[in-house]
Amino acid sequence: QKEVEQNSGPLSVPEGAIASLNCTYSDRGSQSFFWYRQYSGKSPELIMSIYSNGDKEDGRFTAQLNKASQYVSLLIRDSQPSDSATYLCAVIPGGTSYGKLTFGQGTILTVHP
Amino acid sequence: GAVVSQHPSRVICKSGTSVKIECRSLDFQATTMFWYRQFPKQSLMLMATSNEGSKATYEQGVEKDKFLINHASLTLSTLTVTSAHPEDSSFYICSAPSRTEGTDTQYFGPGTRLTVL
Repeated sequence: QKEVEQNSGPLSVPEGAIASLNCTYSDRGSQSFFWYRQYSGKSPELIMSIYSNGDKEDGRFTAQLNKASQYVSLLIRDSQPSDSATYLCAVIPGGTSYGKLTFGQGTILTVHP
Repeated sequence: GAVVSQHPSRVICKSGTSVKIECRSLDFQATTMFWYRQFPKQSLMLMATSNEGSKATYEQGVEKDKFLINHASLTLSTLTVTSAHPEDSSFYICSAPSRTEGTDTQYFGPGTRLTVL
């Protein structure tokens, strides 16, 4: 079982719709969770971090964390073509060394006009 | 957010040569940095943890004699790919954690695309 799992997609949504990206993780001791966006040929850029159960909103992005279900999601409201990218879920598992991330395989999102 | 730079952004070399990649934290100090490798259409794979003042910690399956890491200062880590071969062609990305809101967030450099002919 992979430590961090994401649907690889591709996920296709129309412009203006809500895109929902999901991620599950295996280590119950995990405390820190991140969503990164990666455009083709570029390095990942941080979109959201979340550490507590519940929702965290930042502009059009909302991260949701449910530690009991070991589930973290990212909602993108009013999706734009510029949101088309690969979205990487990353987790710092419990007991790992300082800041060491484990990544999911990424979900490809395509927003079509 | 914090800024991490990498140099060079792109390098093409002949098989058998060595290539050095630099990773710098520009506006913060990083006692730890991480080096990743990403092959096309795959996710990031952690190669090693670079520790200022001590030896790097390598992930399972990564040859430490081939991928030399030196954390020369609190703002600089280098990765040297020794005797590079075509299978080493990849996108190499470094990251450094910066503490904000009491937790550590990883910031990534722009990456270095290595092509070995």
